Amino acid sequence: KNQVEQSPQSLIILEGKNCTLQCNYTVSPFSNLRWYKQDTGRGPVSLTIMTFSENTKSNGRYTATLDADTKQSSLHITASQLSDSASYICVVKGAGSYQLTFGKGTKLSVIP
Amino acid sequence: DVKVTQSSRYLVKRTGEKVFLECVQDMDHENMFWYRQDPGLGLRLIYFSYDVKMKEKGDIPEGYSVSREKKERFSLILESASTNQTSMYLCASSPHGGLARDEQFFGPGTRLTVL
Repeated sequence: KNQVEQSPQSLIILEGKNCTLQCNYTVSPFSNLRWYKQDTGRGPVSLTIMTFSENTKSNGRYTATLDADTKQSSLHITASQLSDSASYICVVKGAGSYQLTFGKGTKLSVIP
Repeated sequence: DVKVTQSSRYLVKRTGEKVFLECVQDMDHENMFWYRQDPGLGLRLIYFSYDVKMKEKGDIPEGYSVSREKKERFSLILESASTNQTSMYLCASSPHGGLARDEQFFGPGTRLTVL
């Protein structure tokens, strides 16, 4: 069964610090992997998307990496801000399918 | 900008009521999706549609039905609402598949409470 596991479940960091969120998946065959940011009470918004051939993708202070061989991805947030407080969801799309497999998310809290 | 709108942000209904959740997208996307999101469970797919009048069951279709009479509109129907359908409901749309980068764009969500 296709699965996406994220760690940690929750994380608290001080404003200005860096952090890294992890995502492991079993989806096969693989098409692409996305990281979404979801603010409380809002719909998810895409941060990055990576296909099989891409190892790293940046979007401002967010940098995602992908190792398709080990089926692992990470999302690194640099110089965190209070507005980074949100849930971060790893989502994997299998090849030849409309459907996505969602991780349960990491809830990040950035405190002053 | 892609826009996916949902008819209500918050909704309170009574057990047994028929509930309609509406979703509209303005990007001429072929695919539309309905998810529910519960704490600790993440997003789960209820139904999706890849064309007008077409629908496919997702992972948890029981107790729900859908309607897609027009390309831009996808409705989720709770025939007889129950308390275990209290949840956040998210609608999404995406362009037709085949492209590795096709992305699902989400609406703001409807928080439904069934009393």
